[in-house]
Amino acid sequence: GENVEQHPSTLSVQEGDSAVIKCTYSDSASNYFPWYKQELGKGPQLIIDIRSNVGEKKDQRIAVTLNKTAKHFSLHITETQPEDSAVYFCAAKRQSGSYGKLTFGQGTILTVHP
Amino acid sequence: DVKVTQSSRYLVKRTGEKVFLECVQDMDHENMFWYRQDPGLGLRLIYFSYDVKMKEKGDIPEGYSVSREKKERFSLILESASTNQTSMYLCASSPSTGAGDTQYFGPGTRLTVL
Repeated sequence: GENVEQHPSTLSVQEGDSAVIKCTYSDSASNYFPWYKQELGKGPQLIIDIRSNVGEKKDQRIAVTLNKTAKHFSLHITETQPEDSAVYFCAAKRQSGSYGKLTFGQGTILTVHP
Repeated sequence: DVKVTQSSRYLVKRTGEKVFLECVQDMDHENMFWYRQDPGLGLRLIYFSYDVKMKEKGDIPEGYSVSREKKERFSLILESASTNQTSMYLCASSPSTGAGDTQYFGPGTRLTVL
């Protein structure tokens, strides 16, 4: 089955700096890669996703890049703010016959210091 | 907005008790999922359901069972709770494959087994 590895497990940055979280996956048939953000006391919420036919996607201060050959994808957050502090999870999915089943990474605790 | 609710935010049970965790979604989603979240291990899929009365094992089904008698409700059952089942349990729902990939999560139930 699919295996997703996520690094780093913790990341501490100063407000205004950039943050990068990286994930690798094992199943070359995976073709959908979402990122979820979990704030304290809440369930994870989708913040951005990318499909295997695209190399990069941006949404304001966040972007995701995908390297299919190397089987890794990354989340980039620019101009970080204290409200970006949360746990971030990457995930991967095979589209066909998977009923939406995602395999998640281990999570990254991001702390943005004012 | 999609809403996924879970019956309890916090639950304390004794070893050997039968435990029911309830999840309800209000968006008429076909797919529903149960995950457990442990530090350093990310979200691990216990069971999922793609239709009423249908269920599939996830990655860690041992010690758990599920029930889906109605489309909006998905229950997780611990037949005989053990201390190693102390964890955060997250429920999620998503539309049918091809109709959207986003999983919508509930706030979680923190279960402690003494």
